[in-house]
Amino acid sequence: DAGVIQSPRHEVTEMGQEVTLRCKPISGHDYLFWYRQTMMRGLELLIYFNNNVPIDDSGMPEDRFSAKMPNASFSTLKIQPSEPRDSAVYFCASSLPEDYGYTFGSGTRLTVV
Amino acid sequence: DQQVKQNSPSLSVQEGRISILNCDYTNSMFDYFLWYKKYPAEGPTFLISISSIKDKNEDGRFTVFLNKSAKHLSLHIVPSQPGDSAVYFCAANFGNEKLTFGTGTRLTIIP
Repeated sequence: DAGVIQSPRHEVTEMGQEVTLRCKPISGHDYLFWYRQTMMRGLELLIYFNNNVPIDDSGMPEDRFSAKMPNASFSTLKIQPSEPRDSAVYFCASSLPEDYGYTFGSGTRLTVV
Repeated sequence: DQQVKQNSPSLSVQEGRISILNCDYTNSMFDYFLWYKKYPAEGPTFLISISSIKDKNEDGRFTVFLNKSAKHLSLHIVPSQPGDSAVYFCAANFGNEKLTFGTGTRLTIIP
C-alpha cells in the first residue's frame, strides 16, 4: 500500500482565495483524521470521519473551514476564504477501528500571503 | 486548553547517552498514551505506546514510563543515535478514536 496520500505537498495562495487540500486514506481504514500543525499548538485535531461520516468537527476553527468525505477513498479540507493565520502544515491520517497507531500522510504546507 | 503538554521545545543529547523526553497531561480520563516521531517534511510515525494499566513498556532502545498519579509520562532512548534526531510528539486517548497531541519536543543528537 502506498500509505496515506496528500496533495498538494505545498500550496501558496493569496488571502481571500479558496484552498482545497486532498487526502487518500489507506484502503480498508475506517477512520480518517485531519490535523493541523503549528508551533504554538502542536498537532491539533480539526475533524475526523468514521466510515465517511463526520464524527467530531469541534476542532474546526471557523465556518471558513469545511471537510467532506464523499467516499472511502477520498477526503477534502477546504478553506474559503483563506487568511494568513491559516498558514500551517495540514496532515491527514487514517486508521483501523481501535488501532491507535494512526498512519499519517506527508502533509500539505499551506502558506497564505 | 492544552490537555497534553510537552514543556521542553528542544533537547540536545550526546550520541550514546540517554535521551529523556517528558510529557504531562491534565485529563485523568486518558487511558492510552503514545509517542510519535516526526522527521522534516514527513508525517508523524508511531513509535511506542502504553496502556494506563501498565507503568512501563519497552521496545528495543525505547522505553515509555507512565506515572498516573503525577499524570506524567516519559520516553527514554538508550543509547541515543544520530538517526533519533527528530520531533517527538506525545499523544493521549480515552476510549474513543480521537488522539490529543502535545506540542512536540525537538531532539538533536550530537555526534
